[in-house]
Amino acid sequence: KNQVEQSPQSLIILEGKNCTLQCNYTVSPFSNLRWYKQDTGRGPVSLTIMTFSENTKSNGRYTATLDADTKQSSLHITASQLSDSASYICVGRAYGQNFVFGPGTRLSVLP
Amino acid sequence: EAGVTQFPSHSVIEKGQTVTLRCDPISGHDNLYWYRRVMGKEIKFLLHFVKESKQDESGMPNNRFLAERTGGTYSTLKVQPAELEDSGVYFCASSAGTSRYNEQFFGPGTRLTVL
Repeated sequence: KNQVEQSPQSLIILEGKNCTLQCNYTVSPFSNLRWYKQDTGRGPVSLTIMTFSENTKSNGRYTATLDADTKQSSLHITASQLSDSASYICVGRAYGQNFVFGPGTRLSVLP
Repeated sequence: EAGVTQFPSHSVIEKGQTVTLRCDPISGHDNLYWYRRVMGKEIKFLLHFVKESKQDESGMPNNRFLAERTGGTYSTLKVQPAELEDSGVYFCASSAGTSRYNEQFFGPGTRLTVL
């Protein structure tokens, strides 16, 4: 069964600090893995999309990594800002199938 | 360019009533998706349109849910009759294509509460 798990469930950090969010996926046959940011009351917004051959992708202060062997991905946020407070959702996709969403990590950045 | 829009933003109905949600995708996007997030759970796929045709409706929970996309433009999702467990946030997303790099753009969602 295709599945995506995320950790931690929630995280609180101080503004300016870095943090890393984790994602374990079981998606087969693997097509791609995505990270989304979802602000409260809004729809998810795409941060990165990675395929099997890519192990790192950056989008500004966001850097995603992908380890196809261990089926793990991480999202690293550098020099966090208050506006980074949101839920971060890892999404996997198998070929010919639909997207499988993780439960999300709720990040709170405090001043 | 306007993003994906959804209407209404909130809907509160009683069990047994009917509700219709609407989604307007980004202009020119042939692919339209419906998703749902039930409280405390992850977002789950409901169905996928390519233009006006249902490409995949494997995620639709039961026959109380009916989705349409007349003319391949906007889409509606009707719940009739609504049950308590239908409460949640319904998201619509659209994309230009379905390749591995195609980005899905999400609407703000419709929060449905069934009392």
